[in-house]
Amino acid sequence: QKEVEQNSGPLSVPEGAIASLNCTYSDRVSQSFFWYRQYSGKSPELIMSIYSNGDKEDGRFTAQLNKASQYVSLLIRDSQPSDSATYLCAVILTTFSGGYNKLIFGAGTRLAVHP
Amino acid sequence: NAGVTQTPKFQVLKTGQSMTLQCAQDMNHNSMYWYRQDPGMGLRLIYYSASEGTTDKGEVPNGYNVSRLNKREFSLRLESAAPSQTSVYFCASSEFFPYSNQPQHFGDGTRLSIL
Repeated sequence: QKEVEQNSGPLSVPEGAIASLNCTYSDRVSQSFFWYRQYSGKSPELIMSIYSNGDKEDGRFTAQLNKASQYVSLLIRDSQPSDSATYLCAVILTTFSGGYNKLIFGAGTRLAVHP
Repeated sequence: NAGVTQTPKFQVLKTGQSMTLQCAQDMNHNSMYWYRQDPGMGLRLIYYSASEGTTDKGEVPNGYNVSRLNKREFSLRLESAAPSQTSVYFCASSEFFPYSNQPQHFGDGTRLSIL
């Protein structure tokens, strides 16, 4: 089982709809979760972070975290063609055997918003 | 407001050649990272530097070396390039090492092909 899993997509949604992107993780004690957006050929760009159970809203973006289910999601309301990109989920996984707490990225979900 | 700057942006090498990828950040961040990104694999950590003067291995360090030249600069060296090292390489930085809730900021990437 991968430590951070995402559906690779593509997730295709019509313009104006809500896009829902999902991510599951393996470490029960993870505390920090991030969503990055990556346009084709570009670098990842941080768009949301969430640390507590529940919802966190920022403009058209809402991150949802459920630690009991080890599940984090990103909702994009009123999707626009400019939202078409790959969305990477990243989780800080706790390491108790020494070394560092790892920041692990999922492989990403490709979102396509069509007019 | 450059953020994280990587050079070169593109490079083609022959098997067995060596080269150094350069990275510099102007955000006064303490921690810096080198990742590689391959299709379907997400971002994988090669090496990191938690603070100036320290470097440590990440998930996939074999075939690479790094140097934290000063607080701003962190270079990645391929001593004897192999086709398996064909990838997109990203440098990133964060204010502190990810024991805390610190997101990472990425450079634009270096697209490296090994023939």
